[in-house]
Amino acid sequence: AQSVTQLGSHVSVSEGALVLLRCNYSSSVPPYLFWYVQYPNQGLQLLLKYTSAATLVKGINGFEAEFKKSETSFHLTKPSAHMSDAAEYFCAVTPLGGYNKLIFGAGTRLAVHP
Amino acid sequence: DAGVTQSPTHLIKTRGQQVTLRCSPKSGHDTVSWYQQALGQGPQFIFQYYEEEERQRGNFPDRFSGHQFPNYSSELNVNALLLGDSALYLCASSSGRGDTDTQYFGPGTRLTVL
Repeated sequence: AQSVTQLGSHVSVSEGALVLLRCNYSSSVPPYLFWYVQYPNQGLQLLLKYTSAATLVKGINGFEAEFKKSETSFHLTKPSAHMSDAAEYFCAVTPLGGYNKLIFGAGTRLAVHP
Repeated sequence: DAGVTQSPTHLIKTRGQQVTLRCSPKSGHDTVSWYQQALGQGPQFIFQYYEEEERQRGNFPDRFSGHQFPNYSSELNVNALLLGDSALYLCASSSGRGDTDTQYFGPGTRLTVL
């Protein structure tokens, strides 16, 4: 069965520093990959998605992610953190032929310090 | 254009009771998926409805059931509530055309079982 591992349940960065949130998937066939963000007491918002086109995917709010098949990874980055980036981030996969059912990782809580 | 809406926002029930949660999809969407998000965890897929039928189901017991109406809105029913059913229940809608269709999430219903 497909699974997603997010390394680091909590990540803390200073404002203006690089944000790196890690995600690895388990599949012999590359699935479709997504990053969602959840702000306190809110639902999930799509940041970006990989659907087998370009391996470097740009999303909203300055985030981007690179699909690396050899490493089965889809890490999320942002060059310069902003206070408003503090939230919970979830990596998710959709298995091929699974319609668009999402399998989520456990999440990484990002804290941004001034 | 209204996004995905869910009602109620919060709900408190006691063990053994039954609960119904409601979801209205984003305009133009015909597919509704339900997820359970326990505290500190990623969302878990419960089931997905398309054309008023349950199209796929996650690993949840039969106590969890659903329905989709002709206007594409949906209900999630949980019978014989257990303490472990306490969670944020998220509804997501999409166009249902394929694996890569973006799912748009509502703000969720927070269920507390005492």
